[in-house]
Amino acid sequence: QSALTQPASVSGAPGQSITISCTGTSSDVGNYKVVSWYQQHPGEAPKLVIFGGSKRHSGVSNRFSASNSDNTSSLTISGLQAEDEADYYCCSFGKGSYVFGSGTKVTVL
Amino acid sequence: EVQLVQSGAEVKKTGESLKISCKGSGYEFTSFWIGWVRQLPGKGLEWMGIIFPADSETRYSPSFQGQVTISADKSNNTAYIHWNSLKPSDTGIYFCAGGGFGAEPRYYFDYWGQGTLVTVST
Repeated sequence: QSALTQPASVSGAPGQSITISCTGTSSDVGNYKVVSWYQQHPGEAPKLVIFGGSKRHSGVSNRFSASNSDNTSSLTISGLQAEDEADYYCCSFGKGSYVFGSGTKVTVL
Repeated sequence: EVQLVQSGAEVKKTGESLKISCKGSGYEFTSFWIGWVRQLPGKGLEWMGIIFPADSETRYSPSFQGQVTISADKSNNTAYIHWNSLKPSDTGIYFCAGGGFGAEPRYYFDYWGQGTLVTVST
């Protein structure tokens, strides 16, 4: 199963909003309830940000939100802060397998 | 609180075998799915497989089926991933991650180990 498609990089100034897309197929991302998003800072393990398509994990800032349309899930970070600079991965489940996105590096300018 | 603690970094040679571990604590180990995720140097995350320790039901990604063996030891609350014959292309960081309780794994991983760096030289 091929990796889900994400933009390689997205950047924004502090305080701005950015959106990261994650595109798959009707067999995976199209079933948005099986989509999750992870944040990974350099040298650290990934952390769950969003699950069930749009639910924030416990302790995650409400600046993080997700939406879904057709075969694309989108993660939005509003009020961008320096600490948001990290790699972000979407993940979906389909045909008995988990599949991660290709990853997006978020840079805070 | 669920905690997953992985074994330390390994340096191996091509053709050697290796087993790394992921010890769970703070929960009922047998009823909690544990998955394994690979991250090659500078690359993204790849799901390798998942195990349910209660009955050792294991599901593999097609990409990793036959390449690794995932197992669990209920007596010491530990999950493992094993290679029979390492290759330099196996060099990377390997994470274990919690896949939830119950008869079927969840669609997300909310607990992660700290990662184990595996380096394979020629």
